[in-house]
Amino acid sequence: KAGVTQTPRYLIKTRGQQVTLSCSPISGHRSVSWYQQTPGQGLQFLFEYFSETQRNKGNFPGRFSGRQFSNSRSEMNVSTLELGDSALYLCASSLQGEMREQYFGPGTRLTVT
Amino acid sequence: DQQVKQNSPSLSVQEGRISILNCDYTNSMFDYFLWYKKYPAEGPTFLISISSIKDKNEDGRFTVFLNKSAKHLSLHIVPSQPGDSAVYFCAAKAGGGNKLTFGTGTQLKVEL
Repeated sequence: KAGVTQTPRYLIKTRGQQVTLSCSPISGHRSVSWYQQTPGQGLQFLFEYFSETQRNKGNFPGRFSGRQFSNSRSEMNVSTLELGDSALYLCASSLQGEMREQYFGPGTRLTVT
Repeated sequence: DQQVKQNSPSLSVQEGRISILNCDYTNSMFDYFLWYKKYPAEGPTFLISISSIKDKNEDGRFTVFLNKSAKHLSLHIVPSQPGDSAVYFCAAKAGGGNKLTFGTGTQLKVEL
């Protein structure tokens, strides 16, 4: 069974631009969560989608948004990029909304210059 | 406000010995705890978890202990192997949904 896949793996953007990251969960998984990892703040929860609905949201500004499609694939968008948005963005999926274990993808490394 | 804390940023252990990684939390609403291992340039890999109704869970070389009164959990790896060298994160969850709150990680190095 294929794991969680994230595209692209690496991305370089300029301050002020916007970016869209994509996540394909494990087949059959309906919950997708997004996390940001930075050296200073560690792993921080962005949001969770389950059955195309946002169910949980972390403490990030409105520039960070996401969505989930009917096939459970998810995208996250960051508008008006800032230097501080440079991070590893991780996507995790789980089978059901209440499943405990989440399985992570390899992440997208975003660099904002 | 760091609700999940891993106070040791690094730990060095000899191969074959026990590795003990510690984690403290402050939010009494957390009811499920997980440990993840992370190699550079990869996403975290799930290791083991424990519900707040238990005080111990074991899976092969990995055992997690939970002390609710002290708001403390630990991961024991016995015996430690060089391939265990990685960053270990503890994470906690409260109620419904899949929002995980992570600690800052402990870099484990298992030496020959």
